[in-house]
Amino acid sequence: AQKITQTQPGMFVQEKEAVTLDCTYDTSDQSYGLFWYKQPSSGEMIFLIYQGSYDEQNATEGRYSLNFQKARKSANLVISASQLGDSAMYFCAMRDYNYGQNFVFGPGTRLSVLP
Amino acid sequence: NAGVMQNPRHLVRRRGQEARLRCSPMKGHSHVYWYRQLPEEGLKFMVYLQKENIIDESGMPKERFSAEFPKEGPSILRIQQVVRGDSAAYFCASSPNRGLDSEQYFGPGTRLTVT
Repeated sequence: AQKITQTQPGMFVQEKEAVTLDCTYDTSDQSYGLFWYKQPSSGEMIFLIYQGSYDEQNATEGRYSLNFQKARKSANLVISASQLGDSAMYFCAMRDYNYGQNFVFGPGTRLSVLP
Repeated sequence: NAGVMQNPRHLVRRRGQEARLRCSPMKGHSHVYWYRQLPEEGLKFMVYLQKENIIDESGMPKERFSAEFPKEGPSILRIQQVVRGDSAAYFCASSPNRGLDSEQYFGPGTRLTVT
């Protein structure tokens, strides 16, 4: 069974608007970590934000915030005030003890920011 | 402080040749991970190493693939007798520790093309 699901293969957003990228996960562990990475066309993986399973507050990093709904097992990434440079692939990832603490990545969402 | 370095950035091999991919982790990081990314897919975990030890190779194909992280020098991912299906981007990541909240810092990747 797929552990990380990203149901939006592609998304479009107008510059300066906010956008939400969906991520749902599956784990039987109580302790786990959720991550979002950005991969621009140049190919490198850039860490954006982290949420721990026991964190009560939603994580925020600048224009990025993580909408963590534990009961629904969702960890959606919200990008506020989109910029043209935000156009990239976005990957949700999880680490838990079931999988030996190794990263499991979702299939990604390609975000295109329109001028 | 230099980031994770990988070389070569691009590698072309003919079917049946060997491919050697190198990864130098960030200074002070003793945990190294290798991932493979097929076109339009997320990253898939291959192997996790600490200095001189393979800790988890559950994601690595049983044949033709091997990895090492010697006491001195970079980590090496070796693919023997490459086939077209090995064409992919191979990413190395390093981290200072192994916790669930431990961010992994990714290198720029090596793009392997098998002709």
